[in-house]
Amino acid sequence: ETGVTQSPTHLIKTRGQQVTLRCSSQSGHNTVSWYQQALGQGPQFIFQYYREEENGRGNFPPRFSGLQFPNYSSELNVNALELDDSALYLCASSLGPLDLYEQYFGPGTRLTVT
Amino acid sequence: QKEVEQNSGPLSVPEGAIASLNCTYSDRVSQSFFWYRQYSGKSPELIMSIYSNGDKEDGRFTAQLNKASQYVSLLIRDSQPSDSATYLCAVRLIQGAQKLVFGQGTRLTINP
Repeated sequence: ETGVTQSPTHLIKTRGQQVTLRCSSQSGHNTVSWYQQALGQGPQFIFQYYREEENGRGNFPPRFSGLQFPNYSSELNVNALELDDSALYLCASSLGPLDLYEQYFGPGTRLTVT
Repeated sequence: QKEVEQNSGPLSVPEGAIASLNCTYSDRVSQSFFWYRQYSGKSPELIMSIYSNGDKEDGRFTAQLNKASQYVSLLIRDSQPSDSATYLCAVRLIQGAQKLVFGQGTRLTINP
């Protein structure tokens, strides 16, 4: 157990809908990164939040957005869902954004878009 | 060329043998390297991190890093059936955000 929690565990949505996924970071961690993992692939970086500010973004369209709250928990929002958005969404927390800090993953949210 | 490459496997190893997992990366200035284990249907679990050239040992696991060859490996000694999982190599890029770039993973099966 890493102490990183995510909700919900599973979610089924229809194409065109919007979804919000939530993540609580490990105690003492101020940085949260979000990843998308398609079946049979490694996780792909979506974006990172550090002290409530976005600290970098991967190659994902603007319909993927996020927030980080003062308690360092975070949300991932996806608008106008597409079938290809079906994946495991992972959040990872770390002590900070620097490269010497290890990232610890939560259990993930499995999103299915029909 | 992919930023991080792994042989997708499957890699089959008899119980008690040494499993060797390999990873190459393209960004010469990368400084931080990680191995994660992922059981089917679960999230990745950090096994090892390595930052300097050479070997780093933790129990039955040894990570090896060769920055000149842009190569990182993971050795699992005395392999157990519970080691059967997908192993993900991840590299922390310096430029831009401090994101992890993952390989596609190597599926490892330990045969009793």
